[in-house]
Amino acid sequence: GQQVMQIPQYQHVQEGEDFTTYCNSSTTLSNIQWYKQRPGGHPVFLIQLVKSGEVKKQKRLTFQFGEAKKNSSLHITATQTTDVGTYFCAGPPSGAGGTSYGKLTFGQGTILTVHP
Amino acid sequence: EAGVTQSPTHLIKTRGQQATLRCSPISGHTSVYWYQQALGLGLQFLLWYDEGEERNRGNFPPRFSGRQFPNYSSELNVNALELEDSALYLCASSLATGIGSPLHFGNGTRLTVT
Repeated sequence: GQQVMQIPQYQHVQEGEDFTTYCNSSTTLSNIQWYKQRPGGHPVFLIQLVKSGEVKKQKRLTFQFGEAKKNSSLHITATQTTDVGTYFCAGPPSGAGGTSYGKLTFGQGTILTVHP
Repeated sequence: EAGVTQSPTHLIKTRGQQATLRCSPISGHTSVYWYQQALGLGLQFLLWYDEGEERNRGNFPPRFSGRQFPNYSSELNVNALELEDSALYLCASSLATGIGSPLHFGNGTRLTVT
């Protein structure tokens, strides 16, 4: 079945440093979604990328979708303590049908800690 | 707009018992998803309901089951509880069905099996 892998599993940074997490799927994705889960909280939808090579920005966050639609990245510039949490990527396989229909597969997440 | 609500917040059961978890989706959302988040294991897809029907299920044994009611709320039942069922169970809803609609999660039910 489809697998979505994220690296790194953990990332510790000093406040002000940049941070990047990478997401790789074993199958082509129809779209990629990113979620953030604060400690003790629930995942919150951040953004969705649909087009091959798409880049979107949200303030200090930059999201990219690979040309082959099998990988994605999230880059945070000048991290702040409010960025602490686990970042998940998730995606349905392209042309999803049958057993994959409606199933959004999540990566294991990258846990980001920021030291002030 | 009220978000996805889940109850109870915490649930403590003993091995072999049954647990029932409840979820109310955002008003207007017809799709409800259940995910299991065990410590260190990310989010594992459990079940997807839409318009009252089970549309898909993940790789979980049949003792994990559920249903969706006419008002689109949903219930997850876990029978014959095992220690490894201890996890955060997250319910999510989405406006559109099928491929890749963004999910709106509830705060989850923390199930502890002793």
